[in-house]
Amino acid sequence: EVQLVETGGDLIKPGGSLRLSCEVSGFTVSTNYMSWVRQAPGRALEWVSVIDYGGSTSYADSVKGRFTISRDGSKNTVYLQMDSLRAEDTAVYYCARDHWGSLDFWGQGTLVTVSS
Amino acid sequence: DIVMTQSPLSLPVTLGQPASISCTSSQSLVHSDGNTYLNWFQQRPGQSPRRLIYRVSNRDSGVPDRFSGSGSGTDFTLKISRVEAEDLGVYYCMQGTHWPRYTFGQGTTLEIK
Repeated sequence: EVQLVETGGDLIKPGGSLRLSCEVSGFTVSTNYMSWVRQAPGRALEWVSVIDYGGSTSYADSVKGRFTISRDGSKNTVYLQMDSLRAEDTAVYYCARDHWGSLDFWGQGTLVTVSS
Repeated sequence: DIVMTQSPLSLPVTLGQPASISCTSSQSLVHSDGNTYLNWFQQRPGQSPRRLIYRVSNRDSGVPDRFSGSGSGTDFTLKISRVEAEDLGVYYCMQGTHWPRYTFGQGTTLEIK
């Protein structure tokens, strides 16, 4: 059975840093593309970042230079390091498997709140 | 980035009646490989998104056959033949053709009359 479990969300002050984790079971992260998607309160879904099986990464313009996606194959886990956080980064963050132009498996999400 | 526009944004429906959601993209979603990577997701209240449809019209395993997807180019539709109470929630279209910059529609809230 496929499971993705995100952790690491918290209340953090503007300018702070946070690292989210997405632990996967049921498939191997190192041989799959993995994406992060976020959803601000009451808002639509927004793609944030992807890491491909070669380790190449891409980011939405809104987070480029502040967020870093990575993975640890030994832990079958994907990470999202978030620096210089802003109020507008407040959202539920989901990880998902990125497969052939789609996002087929999703986690339950973790809430990040950026507020002073 | 490709802009995905859904309509309506709110859809009150009567149980047992059909429902239809439209999604229009700002550019063609036909990929150079010939496929069209248009997806539909359902997000029930308090839950994470769940994929219903991929590549325009392919239903995911476990998705009831009352859900169907159609369309081509820039215009796509999700139809529910007979709405059931468990269908309430928000529906999103998402383009995957112009990877990696996936973009979603604004969401359509399906509510029961």
